[in-house]
Amino acid sequence: KQEVTQIPAALSVPEGENLVLNCSFTDSAIYNLQWFRQDPGKGLTSLLLIQSSQREQTSGRLNASLDKSSGRSTLYIAASQPGDSATYLCAVKEEIQGAQKLVFGQGTRLTINP
Amino acid sequence: DADVTQTPRNRITKTGKRIMLECSQTKGHDRMYWYRQDPGLGLRLIYYSFDVKDINKGEISDGYSVSRQAQAKFSLSLESAIPNQTALYFCATGVGETQYFGPGTRLLVL
Repeated sequence: KQEVTQIPAALSVPEGENLVLNCSFTDSAIYNLQWFRQDPGKGLTSLLLIQSSQREQTSGRLNASLDKSSGRSTLYIAASQPGDSATYLCAVKEEIQGAQKLVFGQGTRLTINP
Repeated sequence: DADVTQTPRNRITKTGKRIMLECSQTKGHDRMYWYRQDPGLGLRLIYYSFDVKDINKGEISDGYSVSRQAQAKFSLSLESAIPNQTALYFCATGVGETQYFGPGTRLLVL
């Protein structure tokens, strides 16, 4: 059974710092990996999606990497801002019982201090 | 207007009551999902539907049922609510590689 783990569970850093969020998964037979942002009362928003054949994806100040063989992904946030404060979730897409489904990690709650 | 809406946004109910959470979407997607989120456990899949006539159980379907009334509507029912069903519930729609999430329904079962 696929297990997705995110470390740390919570992180607090001063504004302007670069930071890395970690995600690990136990089964490398995945279709893709996504990073989501969760804001209170607003649901989840997809930030980056990395296909299993890709190594990284970038969007603005965000860069996500994928090492499928080791079961790891990182989300790098450059020059952090208070507006980056949110919970960040990673999810892998895999095939379960003939259907593709997302398996989520527990999330990292990020606080950027002004 | 939001593409995926959930009603109610917050609900308090008592043990043994039947309740329904509703989800509507304007994106025209065939795939719809119900998840629950508990502190420290991430999101877990309850049920999913790939079209109006296709309903499938997810990881944690016990104690729940669903109805896909139309392409745009997917409802989740708790037939007899129990306290460990207290959680944040998300509906999502899907197309291609992406899922779009509603804002969530916070449910408290006393």
